[in-house]
Order: sequence, then C-alpha cells, then structure tokens
Amino acid sequence: QSVLTQPPSVSGTPGQRVTISCSGGSSNIGSNPVNWFQQLPGTAPKLLVYTNNQRPSGVPDRFSGSKSGTSASLAISGLQSEDEADYYCATWDGGLNAYVFGTGTEVTVL
Amino acid sequence: EVQLVESGGGLVQPGGSLRLSCVASGYTFSSYWMNWVRQAPGKGLEWVASIKQDGSEKKYVDPVKGRFTISRDNAKNSMYLQMNSLRAEDTALYYCARALSGGASYWGHGTLVIVSS
Repeated sequence: QSVLTQPPSVSGTPGQRVTISCSGGSSNIGSNPVNWFQQLPGTAPKLLVYTNNQRPSGVPDRFSGSKSGTSASLAISGLQSEDEADYYCATWDGGLNAYVFGTGTEVTVL
Repeated sequence: EVQLVESGGGLVQPGGSLRLSCVASGYTFSSYWMNWVRQAPGKGLEWVASIKQDGSEKKYVDPVKGRFTISRDNAKNSMYLQMNSLRAEDTALYYCARALSGGASYWGHGTLVIVSS
C-alpha cells in the first residue's frame, strides 16, 4: 500500500483537460521534488515530468505538473487518444528511506 | 541512444535464487545512480533498490532487505540484482532504470521473474 494516493481512474473526451492528483505527506511530497511517469499499455514507464513541473525534451507541453504542500498534480490539456495510459507520481520518502510511487491512475479517452 | 537491457529472469521455485543483469549503452554509465523497479502482474510500480555511481551507497525497500543485493560493474556498464530466498510475492516484471529523480530517468523493457512451485 503506497504512501502516495492517486485516483484509480480519470477519463475525458478528446480535447478536454484532465487532472490527476497525488496526495502524500511531509516526509515525501512535502520535502522532496515529484516526478511523474507515463506507462503506455504493454510498455515500460517513461519520465513525463520531473522536479515538480519540468518536462524532458520531447514531452509535449500539453503535460504540466505542479506541487503545493504535500500534494502534487499532473494536468493533461487537449487530451488525445494516445494519452491513454497509466500515470504514476513518485518521490523520495525520507521517513521510509525509500523511493515511493503513487498508486497509479488509468487515463481513459472516451 | 540510451539503451538498458535486462536479462536473467525466469521461473524459480520458492526459496530459490536468481541473478538479474542490466547492460547499459549510449551514455556514461558511471555518472548515474541506477535502480531496480518491479511491477507485479496487473499492479503498480514498486521501487526495489538503488546503487550510487561508484557503488558506495546502496538502498533497498524493506521487503527485500537481507534477501536481495544490488551491485554494479562500471567497467562492464552493468548492474546486477542477486535475489535469494525468493517468495511468491517477488513475482514481477523487473525494470532497470537510470536516475529515478531529476530529468535523466530512463527505463529498460524489463525481465520477468516468476516464483512458483
């Protein structure tokens, strides 16, 4: 059972904006930067956002991350069918002395 | 192009051992922390272990402490995970990943470990 809680699923229509929340605590999100990973069906995870709100080269600016206190969120604007995937937040937890992933959110494009 | 290729997975009986390998190419292997992350069938991601650039620091998730050992050979651009006393709950796809924090994270395609009698 992860210390980072995400909604199990989020859905939207093409072009819509959806957000995924990631709720943690003072020992993880509250004191460390957050990364977001995208896992397309049947593939390995890929870095989507790092250090709360930075995008690696090649990641569309439709994806944006933010962090406030002990929570973080990932927004996908202009939702596209190829965005259907599982999304995970992640960060270091100083209390557990462990890297922790969120519970994961499945994004469905209706 | 960065490439991470895992190998060594397979079917093993409970209590048995396996050694996973990860060979890196396309970048300076010795410059990055390396990690193992696993994903049980139909489940989420779980960090397993990390090793510092020079191997001087190692970290493990609690369920594998004392059973798994992470190591690396920078001369061979390789990382390893020695897994002993395997349990059914260790069944998962094991990913090799470069740098889980920061902007340099990159993952291999994984190697499947099945622990079953």
